Amino acid sequence: EPEVTQTPSHQVTQMGQEVILRCVPISNHLYFYWYRQILGQKVEFLVSFYNNEISEKSEIFDDQFSVERPDGSNFTLKIRSTKLEDSAMYFCASSPNSGGYEQFFGPGTRLTVL
Amino acid sequence: GESVGLHLPTLSVQEGDNSIINCAYSNSASDYFIWYKQESGKGPQFIIDIRSNMDKRQGQRVTVLLNKTVKHLSLQIAATQPGDSAVYFCAEISTGANSKLTFGKGITLSVRP
Repeated sequence: EPEVTQTPSHQVTQMGQEVILRCVPISNHLYFYWYRQILGQKVEFLVSFYNNEISEKSEIFDDQFSVERPDGSNFTLKIRSTKLEDSAMYFCASSPNSGGYEQFFGPGTRLTVL
Repeated sequence: GESVGLHLPTLSVQEGDNSIINCAYSNSASDYFIWYKQESGKGPQFIIDIRSNMDKRQGQRVTVLLNKTVKHLSLQIAATQPGDSAVYFCAEISTGANSKLTFGKGITLSVRP
């Protein structure tokens, strides 16, 4: 069964450093998402992406964040200058349809900012 | 603002009993409501969804009920098993251009042997 994969599973970085979180969505999906989950809290939407551009972004997704689909398979989230409060689980999701109600999530990357 | 929330933070049930997990939502414009299961260290896993024009939908051992009058959503798990132990989230979505999922707070389901 096809699944969304994410690397790395755990990323530790120093405050102020740049990190890139990588995702490989399911191959025939066209709609991509990033969510984050701070420990013990609910999952929060960050950004949606379709046709090589951002469809929507939340207020969390400020200028420090960017997304890219550098090739036909990867979907990345970059945090330019990490802050302590960026520590969270980051989930990538993909969907085959524009409605977005069938979103398949990856296992997540745990980002720890020291 | 609009939100989706859960009534109880934890639920403990005996193995074999039925579980009912409740959720309240406030966005009456939502098209779909979805239940996700999240096991430790994993991403949310789709369980079942229901369109806003339906009242009930059944899957394998799970049933979702939607009461639009009181904006209430519930997940019923029949014959709860140890493998059902996880955090459960309800989520809502307004399909179309604005297709982000809005999650409620999770509720932990603990199954006693």
